[in-house]
Amino acid sequence: GAVVSQHPSWVICKSGTSVKIECRSLDFQATTMFWYRQFPKQSLMLMATSNEGSKATYEQGVEKDKFLINHASLTLSTLTVTSAHPEDSSFYICSAWESPNEKLFFGSGTQLSVL
Amino acid sequence: GENVEQHPSTLSVQEGDSAVIKCTYSDSASNYFPWYKQELGKRPQLIIDIRSNVGEKKDQRIAVTLNKTAKHFSLHITETQPEDSAVYFCAATAVQGAQKLVFGQGTRLTINP
Repeated sequence: GAVVSQHPSWVICKSGTSVKIECRSLDFQATTMFWYRQFPKQSLMLMATSNEGSKATYEQGVEKDKFLINHASLTLSTLTVTSAHPEDSSFYICSAWESPNEKLFFGSGTQLSVL
Repeated sequence: GENVEQHPSTLSVQEGDSAVIKCTYSDSASNYFPWYKQELGKRPQLIIDIRSNVGEKKDQRIAVTLNKTAKHFSLHITETQPEDSAVYFCAATAVQGAQKLVFGQGTRLTINP
């Protein structure tokens, strides 16, 4: 299947700092990428849809000013957690829609710990 | 919007037996139904998928069936092996033709040797 790369794999930061997570489609172009959040032993919660060249679409209840998404190219989307707090600690996973096979592939995830 | 319900939440089977996980969806316009396997701390991996114009699809020990009338689809794993132990998620497209997926709650499958 198609390969989606996500970095960093884990990050520890102090409360109040910002953290940027990168998601890259390595062998295909992705006009649409998605960002999910996953708590331990729970399902994938969609945070936002990232569209290349346009503003991201956020799910209800997700603060767009806190979770900044940029999709500047057909192979790269970034999620920046601004002014992180301990409650933002979570596993963040990106995914990219691969055309023409029309399938969704996931990045390896980023474990964020905010102290 | 689309809602996906997945059952059971946990499933334990003896090695070599079959496992079945079921999902129901609410939006009759959904047309794509993938299944993902997630091992602890790793990314969800696409293991099989089915589209609304097909009733059944099989890939070696894994099969998926779709009943559009009843709006449910199931994952079947035969001859289970210890490496099948993982969390499995079903999903359905939110709106026909769209790429956004709504995920079920997940099933933790344990294969007992």
